Formats: sequence, C-alpha cells, structure tokens
Amino acid sequence: DIQLTQSPSFLSASVGDRVTITCRASQGISSYLAWYQQKPGKAPKVLMSTASTLQSGVPSRFSGSGSGTEFTLTISSLQPEDFATYYCQQLKSYPLTFGGGTKVEIK
Amino acid sequence: EVQLVESGGGLVRPGRSLRLSCAASGFIFDDYAMHWVRQAPGKGLEWVSGIRWDGGGIEYADSVKGRFTISRDNAKNSLYLQMNSLRADDTAFYYCGKSNTILAEVHSWGQGTMVTVSS
Repeated sequence: DIQLTQSPSFLSASVGDRVTITCRASQGISSYLAWYQQKPGKAPKVLMSTASTLQSGVPSRFSGSGSGTEFTLTISSLQPEDFATYYCQQLKSYPLTFGGGTKVEIK
Repeated sequence: EVQLVESGGGLVRPGRSLRLSCAASGFIFDDYAMHWVRQAPGKGLEWVSGIRWDGGGIEYADSVKGRFTISRDNAKNSLYLQMNSLRADDTAFYYCGKSNTILAEVHSWGQGTMVTVSS
C-alpha cells in the first residue's frame, strides 16, 4: 500500500501568512494526488487534483506542486476562512490512501 | 444541485451487521464512480471502498476487506455499504462521495452518517 506522510501535522499561522504543507508518498505516484480541505463538522472539499489543477471555485491563493514522491500545497496569503484541516490523497493505485492531515490554526 | 444523503447509521454491538445507504440526486448517477470514506471521531480520513459506474471495479481498504460489501443500484440512484462483523474500530462518520472515474478525487460528498460500534 502507498503511505502518505503529511507535515507538519499542526500549523499555527496568522492571516496574511504564506503557508506550505508537504505530502510525501512512500513510492512514486506521478501526479496522482489530490488535496482536500475540511472544516469542523463538515464533509471534505476537494481543492486540487493531479497535484496542481485547481478545482472550480477554489481561490487562486491555493496552489499545488510536485510529482513522484513529494508534493506541496501552498496558500499564498492565509485568509480567515482557510483555517481548517488539509488532507492529501493518492489516486495512483488501490487501496486509495489519505495523508494524516494538517490542521491550520489561528496564531 | 448534486445531493448525496447517507442513512442507516446508528449504534450496533460488536460482531453485528449494519447496512448504509446513500441516495443520490441532481446528477446522472450511472455516469459516476462512487466511494465510501470514513472518519473516526477526532481522526483523519480513511478511504473504505469504491465502485465503478457499472458496478464493477470494486475495491476495499485492507481494514474492511472480507467484512464490508459495496454495491449500487443505478435504477434507484443508490449506493450501499453492507458492514458485517463490525468492530469497535469501525466507529466513524461514513461519507459517500462521487468521482469521475474509479481512480479520481471525490468531487461531491454527503453529510455523513455516524456508526457507533459498542457493547
């Protein structure tokens, strides 16, 4: 099974900060990676597919990069509505797996 | 508007069974693959199972293989998850979701249904 390791698991930041979350895969997954945002009590929302394709309606301050085993999700200027937990998911092979999550909290 | 509504959750004793349902509307159900994803209280997301638009391509997480069965009824726009031999570590919110293909991100999610396995 492909393991995904996210870092950090917890991040404290201020509005306006640039934030970067890393997701490392235990083996190469090309660009078969998605990013999700989840707010408390809500279902996840997809932000990014194929590592760097921004989903419709997602603000352009979100960007994704990477391929192979290392990927990043960057928020260029953190907004109040961005405080949430972020997950990566590999879509290269079954079983599909998620990273452990990165909780972004207000400093 | 895409709607996915899960039902069937509840409190069940270890070793017993439960069947979850997901009613879909607002899109052509048999054009899409479907998945179950769960989240234990205070924990991260865990993909559980997926099924192709035609009912084939079924896959499971190792943690549920042999105990859970995913199925769909395209005539009823519904997705199911039969859960047998339930264990305490199956306690979670269970979400259904749709994706363009069986190996694609989940674009739309239901609100989830809670399953609690406890004696």
